[in-house]
Amino acid sequence: DTGVSQDPRHKITKRGQNVTFRCDPISEHNRLYWYRQTLGQGPEFLTYFQNEAQLEKSRLLSDRFSAERPKGSFSTLEIQRTEQGDSAMYLCASSLARKQGTKETQYFGPGTRLLVL
Amino acid sequence: GNSVTQMEGPVTLSEEAFLTINCTYTATGYPSLFWYVQYPGEGLQLLLKATKADDKGSNKGFEATYRKETTSFHLEKGSVQVSDSAVYFCALTLYNFNKFYFGSGTKLNVKP
Repeated sequence: DTGVSQDPRHKITKRGQNVTFRCDPISEHNRLYWYRQTLGQGPEFLTYFQNEAQLEKSRLLSDRFSAERPKGSFSTLEIQRTEQGDSAMYLCASSLARKQGTKETQYFGPGTRLLVL
Repeated sequence: GNSVTQMEGPVTLSEEAFLTINCTYTATGYPSLFWYVQYPGEGLQLLLKATKADDKGSNKGFEATYRKETTSFHLEKGSVQVSDSAVYFCALTLYNFNKFYFGSGTKLNVKP
Protein backbone atom coordinates (compact mmCIF):
# COMPACT_ATOMS: atom_id res chain seq x y z
CA ASP A 1 0.00 0.00 0.00
CA THR A 2 1.61 3.27 -1.08
CA GLY A 3 -1.00 5.66 0.33
CA VAL A 4 -0.86 7.90 3.38
CA SER A 5 -0.99 5.91 6.61
CA GLN A 6 -1.82 7.03 10.13
CA ASP A 7 -1.36 5.38 13.48
CA PRO A 8 -3.25 4.71 15.64
CA ARG A 9 -6.64 4.66 13.94
CA HIS A 10 -8.45 5.15 17.24
CA LYS A 11 -7.36 6.59 20.58
CA ILE A 12 -9.34 6.92 23.80
CA THR A 13 -7.71 8.90 26.56
CA LYS A 14 -8.58 10.63 29.78
CA ARG A 15 -8.64 14.39 30.09
CA GLY A 16 -5.23 15.74 31.00
CA GLN A 17 -3.24 12.97 29.36
CA ASN A 18 -0.83 13.50 26.46
CA VAL A 19 -1.34 11.76 23.13
CA THR A 20 0.82 11.44 20.04
CA PHE A 21 -0.25 10.52 16.52
CA ARG A 22 1.92 9.48 13.62
CA CYS A 23 1.53 10.07 9.89
CA ASP A 24 3.52 8.42 7.11
CA PRO A 25 3.04 10.27 3.82
CA ILE A 26 3.34 8.93 0.30
CA SER A 27 7.06 8.34 -0.03
CA GLU A 28 8.06 10.95 -2.62
CA HIS A 29 5.78 13.69 -1.28
CA ASN A 30 7.54 16.72 0.15
CA ARG A 31 4.52 18.41 1.76
CA LEU A 32 2.60 17.10 4.73
CA TYR A 33 -0.55 18.57 6.26
CA TRP A 34 -2.54 18.07 9.43
CA TYR A 35 -6.29 18.77 9.61
CA ARG A 36 -8.89 18.35 12.31
CA GLN A 37 -12.44 17.21 11.55
CA THR A 38 -15.21 17.41 14.09
CA LEU A 39 -18.51 15.58 13.74
CA GLY A 40 -20.64 16.90 10.91
CA GLN A 41 -18.01 19.36 9.71
CA GLY A 42 -15.40 19.50 7.00
CA PRO A 43 -11.70 19.26 7.81
CA GLU A 44 -10.03 22.38 9.20
CA PHE A 45 -6.39 23.13 8.49
CA LEU A 46 -3.98 22.90 11.44
CA THR A 47 -0.45 23.04 10.04
CA TYR A 48 1.77 21.99 7.17
CA PHE A 49 5.39 21.08 6.47
CA GLN A 50 7.53 21.38 3.41
CA ASN A 51 10.20 18.74 3.94
CA GLU A 52 11.18 19.18 7.61
CA ALA A 53 10.21 22.86 7.87
CA GLN A 54 6.90 23.79 9.48
CA LEU A 55 5.72 26.66 7.28
CA GLU A 56 2.29 27.56 8.58
CA LYS A 57 0.24 27.03 11.72
CA SER A 58 -3.44 27.77 12.14
CA ARG A 59 -4.75 29.74 15.10
CA LEU A 60 -6.63 26.51 15.89
CA LEU A 61 -3.28 25.03 16.92
CA SER A 62 -3.02 26.09 20.56
CA ASP A 63 0.23 25.85 22.50
CA ARG A 64 -0.85 22.41 23.73
CA PHE A 65 -0.40 21.13 20.18
CA SER A 66 2.96 20.47 18.60
CA ALA A 67 3.85 18.88 15.29
CA GLU A 68 7.19 17.69 14.01
CA ARG A 69 8.62 16.22 10.85
CA PRO A 70 12.23 15.69 11.86
CA LYS A 71 13.63 14.05 8.75
CA GLY A 72 11.17 15.28 6.20
CA SER A 73 9.41 11.93 6.04
CA PHE A 74 6.94 10.89 8.76
CA SER A 75 5.33 13.42 11.07
CA THR A 76 3.99 13.36 14.62
CA LEU A 77 1.24 15.46 16.17
CA GLU A 78 1.27 15.67 19.96
CA ILE A 79 -1.52 17.04 22.12
CA GLN A 80 -0.56 17.80 25.70
CA ARG A 81 -3.04 17.98 28.61
CA THR A 82 -5.92 16.84 26.42
CA GLU A 83 -9.35 18.41 26.84
CA GLN A 84 -12.76 17.04 25.88
CA GLY A 85 -12.92 19.66 23.11
CA ASP A 86 -9.95 17.96 21.45
CA SER A 87 -12.15 14.99 20.55
CA ALA A 88 -12.13 14.85 16.77
CA MET A 89 -10.74 13.02 13.75
CA TYR A 90 -7.17 14.11 13.01
CA LEU A 91 -6.38 13.79 9.31
CA CYS A 92 -3.00 13.81 7.64
CA ALA A 93 -2.49 14.57 3.97
CA SER A 94 0.52 14.75 1.69
CA SER A 95 1.31 16.23 -1.69
CA LEU A 96 4.16 16.71 -4.12
CA ALA A 97 4.94 20.35 -4.77
CA ARG A 98 7.15 20.66 -7.82
CA LYS A 99 7.19 24.43 -7.90
CA GLN A 100 6.72 27.10 -5.24
CA GLY A 101 3.11 28.21 -5.04
CA THR A 102 1.62 25.47 -7.18
CA LYS A 103 -1.82 24.17 -6.37
CA GLU A 104 -1.26 20.49 -5.87
CA THR A 105 -3.65 17.69 -5.01
CA GLN A 106 -3.56 16.48 -1.43
CA TYR A 107 -3.96 12.79 -0.65
CA PHE A 108 -5.49 11.97 2.71
CA GLY A 109 -4.85 9.22 5.19
CA PRO A 110 -7.62 7.33 7.01
CA GLY A 111 -7.38 9.57 10.09
CA THR A 112 -6.95 9.03 13.81
CA ARG A 113 -10.16 9.31 15.79
CA LEU A 114 -9.50 10.76 19.26
CA LEU A 115 -11.98 10.55 22.12
CA VAL A 116 -11.15 12.41 25.32
CA LEU A 117 -13.15 11.26 28.33
CA GLY B 1 -12.02 35.58 2.82
CA ASN B 2 -11.98 32.07 1.45
CA SER B 3 -14.85 29.70 2.07
CA VAL B 4 -16.97 26.93 0.59
CA THR B 5 -20.70 26.51 1.05
CA GLN B 6 -22.47 23.25 0.34
CA MET B 7 -26.10 22.30 0.37
CA GLU B 8 -27.18 20.78 3.65
CA GLY B 9 -27.88 17.11 3.85
CA PRO B 10 -28.74 14.46 4.17
CA VAL B 11 -29.77 13.87 0.59
CA THR B 12 -31.79 10.68 0.19
CA LEU B 13 -32.29 9.21 -3.27
CA SER B 14 -33.46 5.97 -4.78
CA GLU B 15 -31.03 3.92 -6.82
CA GLU B 16 -30.66 5.19 -10.43
CA ALA B 17 -31.90 8.68 -9.53
CA PHE B 18 -30.11 11.83 -10.70
CA LEU B 19 -27.84 13.52 -8.17
CA THR B 20 -26.93 17.16 -7.75
CA ILE B 21 -25.00 18.50 -4.77
CA ASN B 22 -24.58 22.26 -4.87
CA CYS B 23 -21.30 23.95 -4.01
CA THR B 24 -20.47 27.64 -4.15
CA TYR B 25 -17.30 29.38 -3.09
CA THR B 26 -15.71 32.70 -2.25
CA ALA B 27 -12.02 33.18 -2.84
CA THR B 28 -9.47 35.97 -2.63
CA GLY B 29 -7.68 34.65 -5.70
CA TYR B 30 -8.11 32.15 -8.52
CA PRO B 31 -8.85 28.78 -6.87
CA SER B 32 -8.61 25.18 -7.92
CA LEU B 33 -11.73 23.26 -6.98
CA PHE B 34 -12.11 19.73 -5.70
CA TRP B 35 -14.67 17.17 -4.64
CA TYR B 36 -13.63 14.63 -2.01
CA VAL B 37 -15.68 11.65 -0.80
CA GLN B 38 -15.58 10.09 2.65
CA TYR B 39 -16.99 6.61 3.19
CA PRO B 40 -17.98 5.58 6.73
CA GLY B 41 -14.95 5.14 8.98
CA GLU B 42 -12.49 6.17 6.29
CA GLY B 43 -10.44 9.20 5.30
CA LEU B 44 -11.10 11.49 2.37
CA GLN B 45 -10.61 10.27 -1.18
CA LEU B 46 -10.17 12.61 -4.11
CA LEU B 47 -13.16 12.25 -6.44
CA LEU B 48 -12.47 14.90 -9.07
CA LYS B 49 -10.93 18.32 -9.58
CA ALA B 50 -10.85 21.33 -11.90
CA THR B 51 -8.11 23.93 -12.01
CA LYS B 52 -9.50 26.68 -14.23
CA ALA B 53 -12.77 28.19 -15.33
CA ASP B 54 -15.00 26.02 -17.60
CA ASP B 55 -12.94 22.90 -16.84
CA LYS B 56 -15.02 19.80 -16.18
CA GLY B 57 -13.75 17.25 -13.69
CA SER B 58 -15.09 13.73 -13.98
CA ASN B 59 -14.58 10.35 -12.33
CA LYS B 60 -16.68 7.22 -11.73
CA GLY B 61 -19.71 8.80 -13.42
CA PHE B 62 -19.52 11.97 -11.31
CA GLU B 63 -18.99 15.35 -12.98
CA ALA B 64 -18.54 18.95 -11.90
CA THR B 65 -17.91 22.07 -13.99
CA TYR B 66 -15.94 25.06 -12.72
CA ARG B 67 -18.23 28.07 -13.22
CA LYS B 68 -16.38 31.28 -12.47
CA GLU B 69 -19.33 33.54 -13.31
CA THR B 70 -21.51 31.88 -10.68
CA THR B 71 -18.61 30.83 -8.37
CA SER B 72 -19.98 27.31 -8.35
CA PHE B 73 -18.77 23.72 -8.70
CA HIS B 74 -21.88 21.56 -8.45
CA LEU B 75 -21.46 17.79 -8.32
CA GLU B 76 -23.70 15.67 -10.56
CA LYS B 77 -24.23 12.02 -11.37
CA GLY B 78 -26.79 10.67 -13.79
CA SER B 79 -27.62 7.42 -11.99
CA VAL B 80 -26.59 6.85 -8.39
CA GLN B 81 -25.91 3.47 -6.81
CA VAL B 82 -26.21 2.27 -3.23
CA SER B 83 -22.41 2.15 -3.11
CA ASP B 84 -22.32 5.94 -3.65
CA SER B 85 -23.69 6.48 -0.14
CA ALA B 86 -21.07 8.61 1.59
CA VAL B 87 -20.29 12.17 2.64
CA TYR B 88 -19.16 14.50 -0.14
CA PHE B 89 -16.94 17.51 0.50
CA CYS B 90 -16.32 20.43 -1.82
CA ALA B 91 -12.97 22.17 -1.35
CA LEU B 92 -10.75 24.87 -2.79
CA THR B 93 -7.10 25.77 -2.70
CA LEU B 94 -5.34 28.89 -3.91
CA TYR B 95 -2.05 29.79 -5.55
CA ASN B 96 0.49 30.60 -2.83
CA PHE B 97 -1.78 29.09 -0.23
CA ASN B 98 -1.19 25.48 0.59
CA LYS B 99 -4.12 24.60 2.74
CA PHE B 100 -7.51 23.42 1.57
CA TYR B 101 -10.75 25.10 2.57
CA PHE B 102 -13.52 22.54 2.90
CA GLY B 103 -17.27 22.82 2.95
CA SER B 104 -19.17 21.18 5.80
CA GLY B 105 -20.01 18.11 3.73
CA THR B 106 -23.21 16.67 2.30
CA LYS B 107 -24.30 13.21 3.31
CA LEU B 108 -25.82 11.12 0.53
CA ASN B 109 -28.00 8.11 1.27
CA VAL B 110 -28.97 5.93 -1.69
CA LYS B 111 -31.75 3.41 -1.09
CA PRO B 112 -32.17 0.25 -3.18
